Amino acid sequence: DQQVKQNSPSLSVQEGRISILNCDYTNSMFDYFLWYKKYPAEGPTFLISISSIKDKNEDGRFTVFLNKSAKHLSLHIVPSQPGDSAVYFCAASFLMNYGGSQGNLIFGKGTKLSVKP
Amino acid sequence: DAGVIQSPRHEVTEMGQEVTLRCKPISGHDYLFWYRQTMMRGLELLIYFNNNVPIDDSGMPEDRFSAKMPNASFSTLKIQPSEPRDSAVYFCASSLNRGHEQYFGPGTRLTVT
Repeated sequence: DQQVKQNSPSLSVQEGRISILNCDYTNSMFDYFLWYKKYPAEGPTFLISISSIKDKNEDGRFTVFLNKSAKHLSLHIVPSQPGDSAVYFCAASFLMNYGGSQGNLIFGKGTKLSVKP
Repeated sequence: DAGVIQSPRHEVTEMGQEVTLRCKPISGHDYLFWYRQTMMRGLELLIYFNNNVPIDDSGMPEDRFSAKMPNASFSTLKIQPSEPRDSAVYFCASSLNRGHEQYFGPGTRLTVT
């Protein structure tokens, strides 16, 4: 049973437009969320995170929004650039110890973003 | 900063052989994680260590899998005997605290024929 779901396996957008990547989770005890970006033949790299006490976090072109009531988060990339083409993983974690699972990151299966020039 | 180092980058072996994957975490990081990535299951946590001590190995699929961390700068993931269904990309990651903002190595692509 997937606790973190990325329902869109792929997304294609035009350069300069907004990319919106979505993620849903089922465990309401998750209180820290992260986005990772992965290029082929490389490991995932950390992009941006958000704590459950916030509903928005911004870092340059990247903004993550968290809707706790809907158990949904999204990553906005504005403007999108061809170099943003990669697989994006959403991950969730527990900030406080919970059932011995502190330190675990639960990953979604990823969304492949293609930004076309 | 060299980042997380994994070796080998690629490993091709025959079913039944022993496979050992290696990882050097970022200096000063006290958490180390082993993940496996497959098309079917995505990124799965296999085991993680805190200060060289295994904390949670519930993700290790079978007794054929074992992991060690003899010191703060080295960890191994061993599969013995290997099977074709173990074919995957194996990632090692490290972090400074509580597993947040983990830094991943480039991965080892394992093919078992």
